[in-house]
Amino acid sequence: DTEVTQTPKHLVMGMTNKKSLKCEQHMGHRAMYWYKQKAKKPPELMFVYSYEKLSINESVPSRFSPECPNSSLLNLHLHALQPEDSALYLCASSPAGQRQFFGPGTRLTVL
Amino acid sequence: KQEVTQIPAALSVPEGENLVLNCSFTDSAIYNLQWFRQDPGKGLTSLLLIQSSQREQTSGRLNASLDKSSGRSTLYIAASQPGDSATYLCAVKETSGSRLTFGEGTQLTVNP
Repeated sequence: DTEVTQTPKHLVMGMTNKKSLKCEQHMGHRAMYWYKQKAKKPPELMFVYSYEKLSINESVPSRFSPECPNSSLLNLHLHALQPEDSALYLCASSPAGQRQFFGPGTRLTVL
Repeated sequence: KQEVTQIPAALSVPEGENLVLNCSFTDSAIYNLQWFRQDPGKGLTSLLLIQSSQREQTSGRLNASLDKSSGRSTLYIAASQPGDSATYLCAVKETSGSRLTFGEGTQLTVNP
């Protein structure tokens, strides 16, 4: 298995909802990432997990809460989001320090 | 702070042309440089990765070069095809930590 999967593909939520994004990889990669991408802009790093521990938090608002339950799974819990949080959320994984492999993304719309 | 610039921002060429996409970075202390392709609304596909000690990498019709001392990388696409139409992003990984710094991308259109 040489891919990163993300679910759901699309998500529409209200500002009072709680939802979660899921990312999975079975390549044995020990680093996993969350990125946010707005239209016609490059991805912006949000969080990095290394060996299941949070190693980088790019000053992301607390309404985004990451979780890494095991070495294959990465979640992003969403609560009380704002319309400006609407974006493509990308997950990636990599062996330590090497090439990053990206998932197809979750298109999030906040109403 | 590392800054990555890609020129041109957009490029439209007829099918069959050879073309060059440019990427420059301000801090030469990089660990590696990666070129990605992104189709509209999709994730990123890794095309080539060049380690800081390497000068170039090749995959099929793609060739990427790295001149670390001058802070430049180029992606050469030979015999372009309409299926190559996409946004191409370069990203550098700094020596410390796991952060990738992306350029703004070059939007390529190959016309039949």
